[in-house]
Amino acid sequence: DIVMTQAPDSLAVSLGERATINCKSSQSVLYSSNNKNYLAWYQQKPGQPPKLLIYWASTRESGVPDRFSGSGSGTDFTLTISRLQAEDVAVYYCQQYYSTPYTFGQGTKLEIK
Amino acid sequence: QVQLQESGPGLVKPSQTLSLTCTVSGGSISSGGYYWSWIRQHPGKGLEWIGYIFYSGSTYYNPSLKSRVTISVGTSKNQFSLKLRSVTAADTAVYYCARESRTLLRGFDIWGQGTMVTVSS
Repeated sequence: DIVMTQAPDSLAVSLGERATINCKSSQSVLYSSNNKNYLAWYQQKPGQPPKLLIYWASTRESGVPDRFSGSGSGTDFTLTISRLQAEDVAVYYCQQYYSTPYTFGQGTKLEIK
Repeated sequence: QVQLQESGPGLVKPSQTLSLTCTVSGGSISSGGYYWSWIRQHPGKGLEWIGYIFYSGSTYYNPSLKSRVTISVGTSKNQFSLKLRSVTAADTAVYYCARESRTLLRGFDIWGQGTMVTVSS
């Protein structure tokens, strides 16, 4: 199984500041035939299901604000929220869909400082 | 707009079988473009992928649960189901159904709201 490890486990950022969450996979999730990283980011608010934010490591899902961005390739990835807003308080997960069984990171809890 | 909705008993006794159904509205499982998954989340914990089914009936299960899991397409073709046998307290979780594009491969783009299942006598 591919192990996904996120850092940090929790993060407190001031409103309007940048939040950065890292995700590392135990093996590459870059599919060489199309040069796509099979890595997604999700946002989960209390009592709600996860919401897809980013796929292919850096492509924003339709309707996701442009303050959310993803970067990285191979085994190291980053989710950045450029200007934190109150509604961004949530737990964020990375997930690899390069190979089954699909696996998720342990989650990063984002709070307001 | 495709929507997913989980249903089933909220309480299951130890050693029995957990049975859940996911109803797909606004679309059809038999359209063939998607994998239909079950994912669970233990209370206060992370996400665990259980397995998926394709409309043809082909399945893939997480090896950690494979010996106890069956995912099947319902007779209505707009439902798919999860059966988890011989449950213990460790199977207490929120269970989600979710959709993944078979061609675009961009993660799980649509999720149900989830249903809490407690295993207890």
